[in-house]
Amino acid sequence: DVKVTQSSRYLVKRTGEKVFLECVQDMDHENMFWYRQDPGLGLRLIYFSYDVKMKEKGDIPEGYSVSREKKERFSLILESASTNQTSMYLCASSLLAGRTYEQYFGPGTRLTVT
Amino acid sequence: GNSVTQMEGPVTLSEEAFLTINCTYTATGYPSLFWYVQYPGEGLQLLLKATKADDKGSNKGFEATYRKETTSFHLEKGSVQVSDSAVYFCALGNQAGTALIFGKGTTLSVSS
Repeated sequence: DVKVTQSSRYLVKRTGEKVFLECVQDMDHENMFWYRQDPGLGLRLIYFSYDVKMKEKGDIPEGYSVSREKKERFSLILESASTNQTSMYLCASSLLAGRTYEQYFGPGTRLTVT
Repeated sequence: GNSVTQMEGPVTLSEEAFLTINCTYTATGYPSLFWYVQYPGEGLQLLLKATKADDKGSNKGFEATYRKETTSFHLEKGSVQVSDSAVYFCALGNQAGTALIFGKGTTLSVSS
């Protein structure tokens, strides 16, 4: 069965801290994605990666960076957390395939920055 | 660029009522279209999809038809249950084919 896991369901950090959110998929998918979800705004793409060590900016990359050292793992990094980064963060993966783009999501990490 | 517009919620229905959640899109080419569902406290799950015009996706009693002439992909269910209470997202592929573009989500609340 397809599985995407995220390192934490809930996380509380202080302003200015460096924060790592980890995502692992076991489906041998090429593509991996990080979104943030906010009420009234839906899902917005932060970064995605289509291969190891490759990354592309999404719609809202400011304040974030990513790392993909292994195919199955994609990390989101908040270099210096701020209160406006309080949100739900969702990781997803998909095959690098034609037009289908079917994405599989993890359970999400609810991050609170105080 | 590609975009998705879906009806705003919340949608509140009684059990066994008919459900329609409207979704329209703007896109070049022929993107695939999706409906995802998010149950409380969980990530998104694919509900159904359609990959070309006039395709009908269906799953768990939900249906949606890819209508190119009206650029729509409305979600329907003939008889909703309390367990259908969730947030529903319409989505399509972006122009580069690298990511999905999501609507803002529609919250459905079904009471018994």
